[in-house]
Amino acid sequence: IAGITQAPTSQILAAGRRMTLRCTQDMRHNAMYWYRQDLGLGLRLIHYSNTAGTTGKGEVPDGYSVSRANTDDFPLTLASAVPSQTSVYFCASSDSGNYGYTFGSGTRLTVV
Amino acid sequence: GQNIDQPTEMTATEGAIVQINCTYQTSGFNGLFWYQQHAGEAPTFLSYNVLDGLEEKGRFSSFLSRSKGYSYLLLKELQMKDSASYLCAVTDSNYQLIWGAGTKLIIKP
Repeated sequence: IAGITQAPTSQILAAGRRMTLRCTQDMRHNAMYWYRQDLGLGLRLIHYSNTAGTTGKGEVPDGYSVSRANTDDFPLTLASAVPSQTSVYFCASSDSGNYGYTFGSGTRLTVV
Repeated sequence: GQNIDQPTEMTATEGAIVQINCTYQTSGFNGLFWYQQHAGEAPTFLSYNVLDGLEEKGRFSSFLSRSKGYSYLLLKELQMKDSASYLCAVTDSNYQLIWGAGTKLIIKP
Protein backbone atom coordinates (compact mmCIF):
# COMPACT_ATOMS: atom_id res chain seq x y z
CA ILE A 1 0.00 0.00 0.00
CA ALA A 2 1.31 3.43 -0.89
CA GLY A 3 -0.88 6.39 0.02
CA ILE A 4 -4.62 5.77 0.18
CA THR A 5 -6.40 2.68 -1.04
CA GLN A 6 -10.14 2.67 -1.74
CA ALA A 7 -12.30 -0.34 -2.48
CA PRO A 8 -14.23 -1.20 -4.48
CA THR A 9 -13.23 0.75 -7.59
CA SER A 10 -16.79 0.69 -8.83
CA GLN A 11 -20.09 -0.84 -7.77
CA ILE A 12 -23.64 -1.12 -8.98
CA LEU A 13 -25.98 -1.35 -6.01
CA ALA A 14 -29.69 -2.02 -5.74
CA ALA A 15 -31.67 0.65 -3.92
CA GLY A 16 -32.32 -0.22 -0.31
CA ARG A 17 -29.14 -2.28 0.06
CA ARG A 18 -26.45 -1.57 2.63
CA MET A 19 -22.94 -0.83 1.35
CA THR A 20 -19.59 -0.03 2.96
CA LEU A 21 -16.89 1.78 1.03
CA ARG A 22 -13.44 1.02 2.37
CA CYS A 23 -10.55 3.45 2.79
CA THR A 24 -7.10 2.67 4.16
CA GLN A 25 -4.04 4.91 4.38
CA ASP A 26 -0.47 4.08 5.30
CA MET A 27 0.88 7.60 5.83
CA ARG A 28 -0.14 7.86 9.51
CA HIS A 29 -2.14 11.00 8.72
CA ASN A 30 -4.34 12.14 11.58
CA ALA A 31 -7.20 13.57 9.53
CA MET A 32 -9.34 11.67 7.03
CA TYR A 33 -12.26 12.74 4.87
CA TRP A 34 -15.00 11.37 2.66
CA TYR A 35 -16.18 13.42 -0.32
CA ARG A 36 -18.66 12.87 -3.07
CA GLN A 37 -18.12 14.46 -6.46
CA ASP A 38 -21.01 15.13 -8.80
CA LEU A 39 -20.85 16.85 -12.16
CA GLY A 40 -21.08 20.62 -11.79
CA LEU A 41 -21.11 20.52 -8.01
CA GLY A 42 -17.49 19.88 -7.16
CA LEU A 43 -16.34 18.02 -4.09
CA ARG A 44 -18.74 17.96 -1.16
CA LEU A 45 -17.67 16.79 2.27
CA ILE A 46 -19.73 13.95 3.73
CA HIS A 47 -17.93 13.14 6.99
CA TYR A 48 -14.51 13.73 8.43
CA SER A 49 -12.30 12.55 11.26
CA ASN A 50 -9.60 14.74 12.79
CA THR A 51 -8.07 11.86 14.71
CA ALA A 52 -8.74 8.22 15.53
CA GLY A 53 -11.83 7.82 17.70
CA THR A 54 -13.51 11.05 16.56
CA THR A 55 -15.76 11.85 13.61
CA GLY A 56 -17.74 14.85 12.41
CA LYS A 57 -20.44 15.70 9.91
CA GLY A 58 -19.67 17.55 6.73
CA GLU A 59 -21.88 19.35 4.25
CA VAL A 60 -23.94 16.34 3.10
CA PRO A 61 -23.95 13.69 5.87
CA ASP A 62 -27.53 12.38 5.59
CA GLY A 63 -27.75 8.71 4.66
CA TYR A 64 -24.09 8.07 5.46
CA SER A 65 -22.17 6.99 8.54
CA VAL A 66 -18.47 6.58 9.32
CA SER A 67 -16.25 5.13 11.99
CA ARG A 68 -12.58 5.68 12.87
CA ALA A 69 -11.47 2.80 15.07
CA ASN A 70 -7.79 3.34 14.23
CA THR A 71 -5.54 5.77 12.36
CA ASP A 72 -5.42 3.84 9.10
CA ASP A 73 -9.03 2.95 8.32
CA PHE A 74 -12.03 5.16 7.65
CA PRO A 75 -14.99 3.20 6.18
CA LEU A 76 -18.10 4.93 4.84
CA THR A 77 -21.43 3.11 5.15
CA LEU A 78 -24.63 3.69 3.24
CA ALA A 79 -27.31 2.13 5.44
CA SER A 80 -30.01 1.98 2.77
CA ALA A 81 -28.85 3.22 -0.61
CA VAL A 82 -30.97 5.57 -2.73
CA PRO A 83 -30.46 6.61 -6.39
CA SER A 84 -29.42 10.15 -5.33
CA GLN A 85 -26.33 8.59 -3.77
CA THR A 86 -25.06 7.70 -7.22
CA SER A 87 -21.74 9.52 -7.34
CA VAL A 88 -17.98 9.21 -7.29
CA TYR A 89 -16.71 8.92 -3.73
CA PHE A 90 -13.22 10.03 -2.76
CA CYS A 91 -11.45 9.35 0.50
CA ALA A 92 -8.67 11.77 1.46
CA SER A 93 -6.22 12.29 4.29
CA SER A 94 -4.01 15.08 5.57
CA ASP A 95 -1.34 15.53 8.18
CA SER A 96 -2.85 18.82 9.31
CA GLY A 97 -5.45 21.25 8.02
CA ASN A 98 -2.92 23.56 6.41
CA TYR A 99 -1.28 21.06 4.12
CA GLY A 100 -2.41 19.34 0.98
CA TYR A 101 -4.82 16.46 1.00
CA THR A 102 -3.88 13.11 -0.49
CA PHE A 103 -6.77 11.45 -2.30
CA GLY A 104 -7.60 7.85 -2.99
CA SER A 105 -8.42 6.80 -6.54
CA GLY A 106 -12.16 6.94 -5.89
CA THR A 107 -15.17 4.62 -5.90
CA ARG A 108 -17.75 5.02 -8.64
CA LEU A 109 -21.10 4.01 -7.14
CA THR A 110 -24.31 3.59 -9.10
CA VAL A 111 -27.54 3.01 -7.18
CA VAL A 112 -30.34 1.59 -9.30
CA GLY B 1 -22.62 31.42 3.17
CA GLN B 2 -19.30 30.23 1.88
CA ASN B 3 -18.68 30.39 -1.82
CA ILE B 4 -15.90 29.78 -4.29
CA ASP B 5 -16.30 30.83 -7.91
CA GLN B 6 -14.25 29.76 -10.88
CA PRO B 7 -15.09 29.52 -14.59
CA THR B 8 -16.73 26.29 -15.66
CA GLU B 9 -14.63 25.76 -18.77
CA MET B 10 -11.73 27.36 -20.63
CA THR B 11 -10.02 26.59 -23.93
CA ALA B 12 -6.40 27.34 -24.79
CA THR B 13 -3.84 26.44 -27.43
CA GLU B 14 -0.85 24.18 -26.96
CA GLY B 15 2.26 26.24 -26.16
CA ALA B 16 0.26 29.25 -24.96
CA ILE B 17 -0.39 30.68 -21.49
CA VAL B 18 -3.69 30.46 -19.62
CA GLN B 19 -4.87 32.04 -16.38
CA ILE B 20 -7.61 30.40 -14.32
CA ASN B 21 -9.25 32.73 -11.81
CA CYS B 22 -10.81 31.91 -8.47
CA THR B 23 -12.73 34.23 -6.15
CA TYR B 24 -13.81 33.23 -2.69
CA GLN B 25 -16.02 34.31 0.18
CA THR B 26 -15.42 32.20 3.27
CA SER B 27 -15.70 32.44 7.04
CA GLY B 28 -12.05 33.03 7.76
CA PHE B 29 -9.06 32.14 5.66
CA ASN B 30 -6.20 29.78 6.38
CA GLY B 31 -4.83 29.12 2.93
CA LEU B 32 -5.79 28.43 -0.67
CA PHE B 33 -5.04 25.31 -2.67
CA TRP B 34 -5.04 24.47 -6.35
CA TYR B 35 -5.52 20.87 -7.42
CA GLN B 36 -5.40 19.22 -10.83
CA GLN B 37 -7.84 16.45 -11.70
CA HIS B 38 -7.63 14.45 -14.90
CA ALA B 39 -10.86 12.85 -16.08
CA GLY B 40 -11.67 9.72 -14.10
CA GLU B 41 -8.82 10.26 -11.67
CA ALA B 42 -8.31 11.67 -8.18
CA PRO B 43 -7.34 15.30 -7.56
CA THR B 44 -3.62 15.90 -7.11
CA PHE B 45 -2.00 18.79 -5.25
CA LEU B 46 -0.54 21.64 -7.32
CA SER B 47 0.02 24.63 -5.05
CA TYR B 48 -0.67 26.27 -1.72
CA ASN B 49 -0.83 30.02 -0.96
CA VAL B 50 -1.34 31.52 2.47
CA LEU B 51 0.38 34.89 2.00
CA ASP B 52 -0.25 37.48 -0.73
CA GLY B 53 1.86 37.17 -3.81
CA LEU B 54 3.02 34.80 -6.49
CA GLU B 55 4.28 31.27 -5.92
CA GLU B 56 6.11 29.80 -8.90
CA LYS B 57 6.64 26.11 -9.46
CA GLY B 58 7.97 25.24 -12.89
CA ARG B 59 5.38 25.93 -15.58
CA PHE B 60 2.70 26.58 -12.96
CA SER B 61 2.33 29.69 -10.79
CA SER B 62 -0.34 30.64 -8.28
CA PHE B 63 -1.21 34.12 -7.06
CA LEU B 64 -3.15 35.21 -4.00
CA SER B 65 -4.69 38.51 -2.90
CA ARG B 66 -6.38 38.04 0.48
CA SER B 67 -7.83 41.56 0.53
CA LYS B 68 -9.62 40.90 -2.76
CA GLY B 69 -10.55 37.27 -2.03
CA TYR B 70 -8.89 36.35 -5.29
CA SER B 71 -6.44 33.85 -6.66
CA TYR B 72 -5.32 32.69 -10.07
CA LEU B 73 -3.44 29.73 -11.45
CA LEU B 74 -1.15 30.52 -14.36
CA LEU B 75 -0.08 27.74 -16.69
CA LYS B 76 2.72 28.45 -19.16
CA GLU B 77 3.92 26.55 -22.23
CA LEU B 78 0.73 24.53 -22.28
CA GLN B 79 0.99 20.87 -23.14
CA MET B 80 -1.77 18.49 -24.20
CA LYS B 81 -1.37 16.65 -20.90
CA ASP B 82 -2.49 19.82 -19.08
CA SER B 83 -6.03 19.12 -20.27
CA ALA B 84 -7.78 18.54 -16.95
CA SER B 85 -10.00 20.17 -14.38
CA TYR B 86 -8.41 22.62 -11.98
CA LEU B 87 -9.95 22.89 -8.54
CA CYS B 88 -9.61 25.88 -6.23
CA ALA B 89 -10.11 25.22 -2.51
CA VAL B 90 -9.94 27.46 0.56
CA THR B 91 -9.29 26.46 4.17
CA ASP B 92 -11.77 28.28 6.39
CA SER B 93 -11.51 29.34 10.04
CA ASN B 94 -12.28 25.76 11.15
CA TYR B 95 -9.54 24.41 8.88
CA GLN B 96 -12.11 22.74 6.67
CA LEU B 97 -11.51 22.82 2.91
CA ILE B 98 -14.20 24.55 0.86
CA TRP B 99 -14.04 23.48 -2.78
CA GLY B 100 -14.91 25.27 -5.99
CA ALA B 101 -16.70 23.28 -8.70
CA GLY B 102 -13.57 23.26 -10.84
CA THR B 103 -12.53 24.66 -14.21
CA LYS B 104 -12.31 22.25 -17.11
CA LEU B 105 -9.33 23.26 -19.27
CA ILE B 106 -9.34 22.09 -22.88
CA ILE B 107 -6.04 22.31 -24.77
CA LYS B 108 -6.19 22.42 -28.55
CA PRO B 109 -3.26 21.66 -30.85
